[in-house]
Amino acid sequence: EVRLVESGGGLVQPGGSLRLSCAASGFTFSSYYMSWVRQAPGKGLEWVANIDPSGSAKYYVDSVKGRLIISRDNSKDSLYLQMNSLSAEDTAVYYCARENGHSAEDWGRGTLVTVSS
Amino acid sequence: DVVMTQSPLSLPVTPGQPASISCRSSQSLVHSDGSTYLNWFHQRPGQSPRRLIYQVSNRDSGVPDRFSGSGSGTDFTLKISRVEAEDVGVYYCMQGTHWPWTFGQGTKVEIK
Repeated sequence: EVRLVESGGGLVQPGGSLRLSCAASGFTFSSYYMSWVRQAPGKGLEWVANIDPSGSAKYYVDSVKGRLIISRDNSKDSLYLQMNSLSAEDTAVYYCARENGHSAEDWGRGTLVTVSS
Repeated sequence: DVVMTQSPLSLPVTPGQPASISCRSSQSLVHSDGSTYLNWFHQRPGQSPRRLIYQVSNRDSGVPDRFSGSGSGTDFTLKISRVEAEDVGVYYCMQGTHWPWTFGQGTKVEIK
């Protein structure tokens, strides 16, 4: 059974930083593209970033380029999202997702990031 | 970015009756590899999204056959043949053909 467990969310001040983690199990992590998708409170879904199996190719939505950095450690079956220069617009539940066929086949439960003073 | 437009945004349904959600993209979703990466997701209140349909019409494992997807190019439809109470929630279409991948605004399905 595929399992994705996010952690690292919390309350952070504007301009601050946070690092999210996603622990994966139940599949060969090093064989899959992985993504971060976010959902602001009461709003829709937004694809934030994805990363290829080797970790060498990374793609970001324009609104987070230069501030959010996706990475992975295949030896630890883990995905990360380093979040810098955060603003209120980054407040959301952040989901880790396993990609399959240009889509998110499996999702974690999400971790809430709140940017507020 | 590709804009995905869903309609309606709110859909009151009667159990046992059919329901249909439309999704239109601002450009063709046919990928250079020939596939069309249009997906449908369902999100119940307080839960993570769950993928129902991938590549226009393929149901994911465990998805009831009352759900079906169709369409091509820029126009797509999700149909529920007979709505059940557990089908309430928000349905999103999503394109995975052009980066950044984008979602529709969501259609909220509720029981009348």
